[in-house]
Amino acid sequence: DQQVKQNSPSLSVQEGRISILNCDYTNSMFDYFLWYKKYPAEGPTFLISISSIKDKNEDGRFTVFLNKSAKHLSLHIVPSQPGDSAVYFCAALKAGNMLTFGGGTRLMVKP
Amino acid sequence: DTAVSQTPKYLVTQMGNDKSIKCEQNLGHDTMYWYKQDSKKFLKIMFSYNNKELIINETVPNRFSPKSPDKAHLNLHINSLELGDSAVYFCASSQGARGTNEQFFGPGTRLTVL
Repeated sequence: DQQVKQNSPSLSVQEGRISILNCDYTNSMFDYFLWYKKYPAEGPTFLISISSIKDKNEDGRFTVFLNKSAKHLSLHIVPSQPGDSAVYFCAALKAGNMLTFGGGTRLMVKP
Repeated sequence: DTAVSQTPKYLVTQMGNDKSIKCEQNLGHDTMYWYKQDSKKFLKIMFSYNNKELIINETVPNRFSPKSPDKAHLNLHINSLELGDSAVYFCASSQGARGTNEQFFGPGTRLTVL
């Protein structure tokens, strides 16, 4: 039973446009959310996070939005660049140490 | 200068064999993890060690035994390998055991059991 879901396995976007990656979760006890980015043959790297007491967190071109009532978060990348092409994992945490990851979304940014 | 390294990068072996994957971090972190990425690409925590002590042990078969000789190393030994063990295994580390602390991942070890 997957508690964190990324329903879009892939997304293709033109360079310069906005990329929106979505993530849904089922456990209302999750109180912290993270996005990790993964290039082929490398491990995931931390990108951005948000606490459940916030609804938005921004870091440069990356913004994460959290809608607790809908149990939904999204990662916006604007403007998208070819170097952003990677697999993006959403992860959630509840009062403890254990991250629960989604299945990832492959983003392809076309020049 | 690699922060979290794993060896080997690829491992192909027969069912029933015993194998080990090594992980080392040079970040000075006190917490290390093992994750399994299955065929559906989900990353799932297996174990977590803080200061060489086990703090997370998910429902992993006892054929998997982590060993932390010191804070910089967390090795994974797998006995009696099965086909279902085929996956990519990632080691990670963080400073502090809280999940909010950024985890740094190794490049992964692709295990194929034939």
